[in-house]
Amino acid sequence: DAKTTQPNSMESNEEEPVHLPCNHSTISGTDYIHWYRQLPSQGPEYVIHGLTSNVNNRMASLAIAEDRKSSTLILHRATLRDAAVYYCILRAIYNFNKFYFGSGTKLNVKP
Amino acid sequence: AAGVIQSPRHLIKEKRETATLKCYPIPRHDTVYWYQQGPGQDPQFLISFYEKMQSDKGSIPDRFSAQQFSDYHSELNMSSLELGDSALYFCASSSLRAGEGISYEQYFGPGTRLTVT
Repeated sequence: DAKTTQPNSMESNEEEPVHLPCNHSTISGTDYIHWYRQLPSQGPEYVIHGLTSNVNNRMASLAIAEDRKSSTLILHRATLRDAAVYYCILRAIYNFNKFYFGSGTKLNVKP
Repeated sequence: AAGVIQSPRHLIKEKRETATLKCYPIPRHDTVYWYQQGPGQDPQFLISFYEKMQSDKGSIPDRFSAQQFSDYHSELNMSSLELGDSALYFCASSSLRAGEGISYEQYFGPGTRLTVT
């Protein structure tokens, strides 16, 4: 499975946008990019996913580089409830059976 | 909306004992995944089942076994427990049922915290 690289931690102020980067230089053409987050003492939860085009949903936006070797999760207005570990995960289009979680980025949101 | 249910939520066992963790997926979900998360670590994929058949296997020790039953619930059986098995165990479910659209999301349960003393 292709590997992802994320910063260990990031800090943001409440109400400001947050850009969480992910490098995946060995991504293949059939890999989806998924983002999950894990709030303290909870199971991971789905945030967003994409293949080639940028994606928006009610939680966040996903910006995918043209060469697909990196992506950025964008939280438009961080709240204290967004403090979590954010995981960028690659999943092959034909493989629905497992996710490999990397090290993730711990996001701290300051009031 | 119904979520993934895991039981028990907390479990304390001694070394060399056995433990059984249960997972009840979201209704109509046909796929179950098990993950282990040690203290301060990231979730590690253990095993998954689709339509009651094992679909993939990760870093699951030979001392562990799992199955998915006819009602789609799953059980993770752990024998000869070791101190290093102390962790949070998450179950997730998703729907890959043809005709209903493929869900790319895995829905995670709240986890079972296993402590081995």
